[in-house]
Amino acid sequence: SQQGEEDPQALSIQEGENATMNCSYKTSINNLQWYRQNSGRGLVHLILIRSNEREKHSGRLRVTLDTSKKSSSLLITASRAADTASYFCATDDDGTGANNLFFGTGTRLTVIP
Amino acid sequence: DAGVTQSPTHLIKTRGQQVTLRCSPKSGHDTVSWYQQALGQGPQFIFQYYEEEERQRGNFPDRFSGHQFPNYSSELNVNALLLGDSALYLCASSRVSQGYNEQFFGPGTRLTVL
Repeated sequence: SQQGEEDPQALSIQEGENATMNCSYKTSINNLQWYRQNSGRGLVHLILIRSNEREKHSGRLRVTLDTSKKSSSLLITASRAADTASYFCATDDDGTGANNLFFGTGTRLTVIP
Repeated sequence: DAGVTQSPTHLIKTRGQQVTLRCSPKSGHDTVSWYQQALGQGPQFIFQYYEEEERQRGNFPDRFSGHQFPNYSSELNVNALLLGDSALYLCASSRVSQGYNEQFFGPGTRLTVL
């Protein structure tokens, strides 16, 4: 079963706007990662945030983590048409001590030029 | 520095056949994980190899097997293919000494079972 769950399932915005995606998970984690996937291709690693971190930035990306609520958010500022893709959160632990990744079903982002 | 590579890119098989997919990890990485991604879904963990042994396994039947070679490359084998095995198969590599599980993914192999 997949631990992460992204919200919304689909998001459509105009170029230049900000996009916010949320992720909820069920059990304790060591870290949470966000990935991007362009139309049926491989996943590109965007950012990793550790369980003892609350916020992290990378370029136009801002990720927050609230372990008390078991949730994370990904903010993409000043969106571009090239940001159109599916975005997945992945957690590293489903409570079993495993160190493989557990993915949600993703948010499909469309940026309209 | 080459990233994770996978071959072939696309593959078409018929039910009951067997298939082998291949993966070369990113330079310096020693751990390879395989994921299955059905259309419209997130990737699901199949298994992970480290030091040429299967270290962890997800909820997949024994028809799915793998191997890791001394150069850290890996193969995924699927026997007795079913229509439901049609998916994008992703390989990811990581380095166990990093202490956290940042994985780098290859472009995937698209398997179609007819």
